[in-house]
Amino acid sequence: DTGVSQNPRHKITKRGQNVTFRCDPISEHNRLYWYRQTLGQGPEFLTYFQNEAQLEKSRLLSDRFSAERPKGSFSTLEIQRTEQGDSAMYLCASSLGASGRGISAYEQYFGPGTRLTVT
Amino acid sequence: GENVEQHPSTLSVQEGDSAVIKCTYSDSASNYFPWYKQELGKRPQLIIDIRSNVGEKKDQRIAVTLNKTAKHFSLHITETQPEDSAVYFCAASGYTGGFKTIFGAGTRLFVKA
Repeated sequence: DTGVSQNPRHKITKRGQNVTFRCDPISEHNRLYWYRQTLGQGPEFLTYFQNEAQLEKSRLLSDRFSAERPKGSFSTLEIQRTEQGDSAMYLCASSLGASGRGISAYEQYFGPGTRLTVT
Repeated sequence: GENVEQHPSTLSVQEGDSAVIKCTYSDSASNYFPWYKQELGKRPQLIIDIRSNVGEKKDQRIAVTLNKTAKHFSLHITETQPEDSAVYFCAASGYTGGFKTIFGAGTRLFVKA
């Protein structure tokens, strides 16, 4: 499968625990995005990377959230001290970015998501 | 801040009819406008996109139109089929401090056979 992959697909955790999710983008894509989606809503932007650099982070993101992309390939999203309000689907997407031409540089392809349930 | 509004939230059409979904955006620096289709329990799938240097783009039964002056863009689906039933999201992004992408709240499309 050459698409975007995410692990785990489901995570159930107790309030106060830390969780970490992983995203593997399409191999030649140098931009990687994290989104959160709750039922009945569109994906909400969290952060994005160009290669290993985190270039933007949503103001909605609290200090409990951190993301890394250490070698410009896979990325991890960590949530510390989880709260029930963190329950959502966490989606990762990737795009060609600067290595693409024209509109293809912008096109984001999504992974299957990690569904987080905080009890 | 940036905002994308999408209407209607629910749309029901008869098979074979056309469906139109409309979006407005607030950030005048936005220059890329994708549309995604999301079926229940699945990931969003890119179905068509347009850049701000183009006013209209068509791909078989789907088309997107963009009015940059009015900050409006629309998705048009012709000859709808039951398999078009899904949630559709519009989005806007552009290079204002990064390629942050803002999504609309979605339109649930029902195509009745």
